[in-house]
Amino acid sequence: KQEVTQIPAALSVPEGENLVLNCSFTDSAIYNLQWFRQDPGKGLTSLLLIQSSQREQTSGRLNASLDKSSGRSTLYIAASQPGDSATYLCAVEDPGANSKLTFGKGITLSVRP
Amino acid sequence: GAGVSQSPSNKVTEKGKDVELRCDPISGHTALYWYRQSLGQGLEFLIYFQGNSAPDKSGLPSDRFSAERTGGSVSTLTIQRTQQEDSAVYLCASQIRGGYSEQYFGPGTRLTVT
Repeated sequence: KQEVTQIPAALSVPEGENLVLNCSFTDSAIYNLQWFRQDPGKGLTSLLLIQSSQREQTSGRLNASLDKSSGRSTLYIAASQPGDSATYLCAVEDPGANSKLTFGKGITLSVRP
Repeated sequence: GAGVSQSPSNKVTEKGKDVELRCDPISGHTALYWYRQSLGQGLEFLIYFQGNSAPDKSGLPSDRFSAERTGGSVSTLTIQRTQQEDSAVYLCASQIRGGYSEQYFGPGTRLTVT
Protein backbone atom coordinates (compact mmCIF):
# COMPACT_ATOMS: atom_id res chain seq x y z
CA LYS A 1 0.00 0.00 0.00
CA GLN A 2 1.38 3.39 -1.03
CA GLU A 3 2.23 5.77 1.80
CA VAL A 4 3.17 9.43 1.36
CA THR A 5 5.01 11.32 4.06
CA GLN A 6 5.64 15.03 4.44
CA ILE A 7 7.95 16.20 7.19
CA PRO A 8 7.89 18.55 9.02
CA ALA A 9 4.20 19.15 9.53
CA ALA A 10 4.75 22.87 9.94
CA LEU A 11 7.40 25.37 8.93
CA SER A 12 7.89 29.07 9.67
CA VAL A 13 10.35 31.20 7.71
CA PRO A 14 11.07 34.92 7.29
CA GLU A 15 10.00 36.65 4.11
CA GLY A 16 12.50 36.43 1.28
CA GLU A 17 13.95 33.08 2.26
CA ASN A 18 14.30 30.28 -0.28
CA LEU A 19 12.85 27.05 1.05
CA VAL A 20 12.40 23.39 0.23
CA LEU A 21 9.41 21.23 1.12
CA ASN A 22 9.98 17.49 1.13
CA CYS A 23 7.75 14.61 0.15
CA SER A 24 8.55 10.90 0.23
CA PHE A 25 6.59 7.88 -0.99
CA THR A 26 7.06 4.19 -0.40
CA ASP A 27 6.20 2.65 -3.78
CA SER A 28 8.22 4.05 -6.67
CA ALA A 29 5.85 2.65 -9.32
CA ILE A 30 3.91 5.88 -9.75
CA TYR A 31 2.37 7.52 -12.80
CA ASN A 32 2.90 11.06 -11.60
CA LEU A 33 3.24 13.30 -8.57
CA GLN A 34 1.23 16.44 -8.00
CA TRP A 35 1.84 19.33 -5.60
CA PHE A 36 -1.16 21.26 -4.29
CA ARG A 37 -1.71 24.33 -2.20
CA GLN A 38 -4.59 24.60 0.26
CA ASP A 39 -5.60 27.85 1.94
CA PRO A 40 -7.60 27.67 5.19
CA GLY A 41 -11.20 26.65 4.54
CA LYS A 42 -10.60 26.29 0.82
CA GLY A 43 -10.18 23.51 -1.69
CA LEU A 44 -6.95 22.39 -3.32
CA THR A 45 -5.16 24.38 -6.00
CA SER A 46 -2.89 22.40 -8.30
CA LEU A 47 0.62 23.87 -8.43
CA LEU A 48 2.70 21.44 -10.44
CA LEU A 49 2.38 17.96 -11.88
CA ILE A 50 5.46 15.86 -12.67
CA GLN A 51 5.03 12.81 -14.85
CA SER A 52 6.98 9.71 -13.86
CA SER A 53 9.31 10.18 -16.85
CA GLN A 54 10.18 13.75 -15.85
CA ARG A 55 12.72 15.01 -13.35
CA GLU A 56 11.32 18.46 -12.64
CA GLN A 57 8.73 21.08 -13.42
CA THR A 58 8.85 24.84 -12.94
CA SER A 59 6.18 27.49 -12.58
CA GLY A 60 7.23 31.00 -11.63
CA ARG A 61 8.97 30.89 -8.26
CA LEU A 62 8.14 27.21 -7.80
CA ASN A 63 10.25 24.27 -8.87
CA ALA A 64 9.33 20.66 -8.17
CA SER A 65 11.71 17.76 -8.61
CA LEU A 66 11.08 14.05 -8.68
CA ASP A 67 13.45 11.18 -7.92
CA LYS A 68 11.31 8.13 -8.50
CA SER A 69 13.95 5.57 -7.65
CA SER A 70 14.47 6.99 -4.18
CA GLY A 71 10.80 7.82 -3.66
CA ARG A 72 11.31 11.53 -3.13
CA SER A 73 10.08 14.85 -4.39
CA THR A 74 10.89 18.39 -3.36
CA LEU A 75 9.05 21.66 -3.88
CA TYR A 76 11.41 24.62 -3.98
CA ILE A 77 9.94 28.05 -3.33
CA ALA A 78 12.19 30.97 -4.21
CA ALA A 79 12.07 34.33 -2.46
CA SER A 80 9.15 33.40 -0.21
CA GLN A 81 6.36 35.93 0.41
CA PRO A 82 3.68 36.17 3.11
CA GLY A 83 1.14 35.27 0.42
CA ASP A 84 2.82 31.86 0.13
CA SER A 85 1.52 30.99 3.60
CA ALA A 86 -0.70 27.93 3.15
CA THR A 87 -0.66 24.16 3.49
CA TYR A 88 1.24 22.34 0.76
CA LEU A 89 0.27 18.78 -0.07
CA CYS A 90 1.92 16.28 -2.35
CA ALA A 91 0.06 13.38 -3.88
CA VAL A 92 1.03 10.45 -6.06
CA GLU A 93 -1.05 8.71 -8.68
CA ASP A 94 -0.50 4.98 -8.59
CA PRO A 95 -0.86 2.52 -11.44
CA GLY A 96 -4.19 0.81 -11.19
CA ALA A 97 -7.71 0.86 -12.35
CA ASN A 98 -8.85 3.99 -10.59
CA SER A 99 -5.95 6.47 -10.83
CA LYS A 100 -6.69 7.76 -7.36
CA LEU A 101 -4.31 10.09 -5.60
CA THR A 102 -2.62 9.13 -2.34
CA PHE A 103 -1.88 12.24 -0.31
CA GLY A 104 0.60 13.23 2.32
CA LYS A 105 -0.77 15.09 5.32
CA GLY A 106 0.71 18.36 4.18
CA ILE A 107 3.16 20.95 5.41
CA THR A 108 1.71 24.15 6.84
CA LEU A 109 3.96 27.01 5.81
CA SER A 110 3.99 30.38 7.48
CA VAL A 111 6.04 33.17 5.91
CA ARG A 112 6.66 35.99 8.38
CA PRO A 113 6.77 39.57 7.05
CA GLY B 1 -13.40 28.66 -17.78
CA ALA B 2 -15.51 27.40 -14.90
CA GLY B 3 -13.83 25.13 -12.42
CA VAL B 4 -15.24 22.33 -10.31
CA SER B 5 -18.14 23.51 -8.17
CA GLN B 6 -19.65 21.90 -5.11
CA SER B 7 -22.77 22.56 -3.10
CA PRO B 8 -23.58 23.26 -0.40
CA SER B 9 -20.38 24.83 0.90
CA ASN B 10 -21.39 24.04 4.46
CA LYS B 11 -23.87 21.55 5.84
CA VAL B 12 -24.85 21.01 9.46
CA THR B 13 -27.03 18.02 10.14
CA GLU B 14 -28.25 16.03 13.09
CA LYS B 15 -26.96 12.55 13.73
CA GLY B 16 -29.10 9.98 11.94
CA LYS B 17 -30.22 12.25 9.10
CA ASP B 18 -29.36 11.67 5.44
CA VAL B 19 -27.37 14.24 3.45
CA GLU B 20 -26.66 14.79 -0.23
CA LEU B 21 -23.58 16.58 -1.51
CA ARG B 22 -23.32 17.76 -5.10
CA CYS B 23 -20.40 18.12 -7.48
CA ASP B 24 -20.34 19.77 -10.90
CA PRO B 25 -17.11 18.81 -12.70
CA ILE B 26 -15.32 20.77 -15.37
CA SER B 27 -17.16 20.40 -18.66
CA GLY B 28 -15.63 17.70 -20.82
CA HIS B 29 -13.84 15.94 -17.97
CA THR B 30 -14.68 12.27 -18.04
CA ALA B 31 -13.17 11.27 -14.70
CA LEU B 32 -14.60 12.35 -11.35
CA TYR B 33 -13.36 11.58 -7.83
CA TRP B 34 -14.68 12.08 -4.32
CA TYR B 35 -12.24 12.47 -1.44
CA ARG B 36 -12.73 13.14 2.26
CA GLN B 37 -10.50 15.34 4.40
CA SER B 38 -10.71 14.74 8.14
CA LEU B 39 -8.69 16.28 10.94
CA GLY B 40 -5.78 14.00 11.64
CA GLN B 41 -6.61 11.64 8.75
CA GLY B 42 -5.59 13.74 5.81
CA LEU B 43 -7.20 13.30 2.42
CA GLU B 44 -8.57 9.89 1.57
CA PHE B 45 -10.09 8.55 -1.62
CA LEU B 46 -13.76 7.56 -1.58
CA ILE B 47 -15.03 6.79 -5.09
CA TYR B 48 -14.07 7.18 -8.75
CA PHE B 49 -16.20 7.53 -11.90
CA GLN B 50 -14.76 7.21 -15.39
CA GLY B 51 -17.05 7.69 -18.34
CA ASN B 52 -19.70 5.00 -18.53
CA SER B 53 -17.65 2.42 -16.64
CA ALA B 54 -18.79 1.00 -13.34
CA PRO B 55 -17.56 3.24 -10.51
CA ASP B 56 -14.71 2.18 -8.26
CA LYS B 57 -16.22 2.27 -4.78
CA SER B 58 -13.24 0.76 -2.99
CA GLY B 59 -12.70 3.80 -0.77
CA LEU B 60 -16.20 4.12 0.64
CA PRO B 61 -15.96 3.61 4.42
CA SER B 62 -19.32 1.92 4.91
CA ASP B 63 -22.52 1.00 3.10
CA ARG B 64 -24.08 4.21 4.40
CA PHE B 65 -22.12 5.99 1.69
CA SER B 66 -23.17 5.93 -1.95
CA ALA B 67 -22.64 8.08 -5.01
CA GLU B 68 -23.99 8.41 -8.48
CA ARG B 69 -23.08 10.34 -11.57
CA THR B 70 -25.84 11.28 -13.95
CA GLY B 71 -25.26 11.77 -17.66
CA GLY B 72 -21.52 11.58 -17.20
CA SER B 73 -21.53 14.99 -15.52
CA VAL B 74 -23.00 15.97 -12.15
CA SER B 75 -22.32 13.67 -9.22
CA THR B 76 -24.11 13.30 -5.90
CA LEU B 77 -22.57 11.76 -2.79
CA THR B 78 -25.19 10.52 -0.33
CA ILE B 79 -24.53 9.68 3.30
CA GLN B 80 -27.35 7.88 5.06
CA ARG B 81 -27.92 7.85 8.82
CA THR B 82 -25.05 10.25 9.41
CA GLN B 83 -22.71 9.71 12.34
CA GLN B 84 -20.45 12.20 14.10
CA GLU B 85 -17.39 10.55 12.60
CA ASP B 86 -18.71 11.53 9.16
CA SER B 87 -17.90 15.16 9.97
CA ALA B 88 -15.26 16.21 7.46
CA VAL B 89 -14.68 18.22 4.31
CA TYR B 90 -15.81 16.34 1.22
CA LEU B 91 -13.86 17.27 -1.88
CA CYS B 92 -14.67 16.50 -5.47
CA ALA B 93 -12.12 16.47 -8.29
CA SER B 94 -12.35 16.04 -12.02
CA GLN B 95 -9.81 15.01 -14.59
CA ILE B 96 -9.90 15.29 -18.35
CA ARG B 97 -9.59 11.51 -18.59
CA GLY B 98 -8.74 8.78 -16.17
CA GLY B 99 -5.09 8.92 -15.26
CA TYR B 100 -1.86 10.71 -16.22
CA SER B 101 -3.17 14.26 -15.92
CA GLU B 102 -3.95 16.86 -13.30
CA GLN B 103 -6.90 16.48 -11.00
CA TYR B 104 -8.77 19.74 -10.41
CA PHE B 105 -10.50 20.13 -7.09
CA GLY B 106 -13.64 21.93 -6.04
CA PRO B 107 -13.88 24.10 -2.91
CA GLY B 108 -15.38 21.27 -0.88
CA THR B 109 -18.41 20.81 1.34
CA ARG B 110 -17.81 21.05 5.07
CA LEU B 111 -20.14 18.57 6.77
CA THR B 112 -20.78 18.83 10.49
CA VAL B 113 -22.85 16.14 12.19
CA THR B 114 -24.18 17.21 15.59
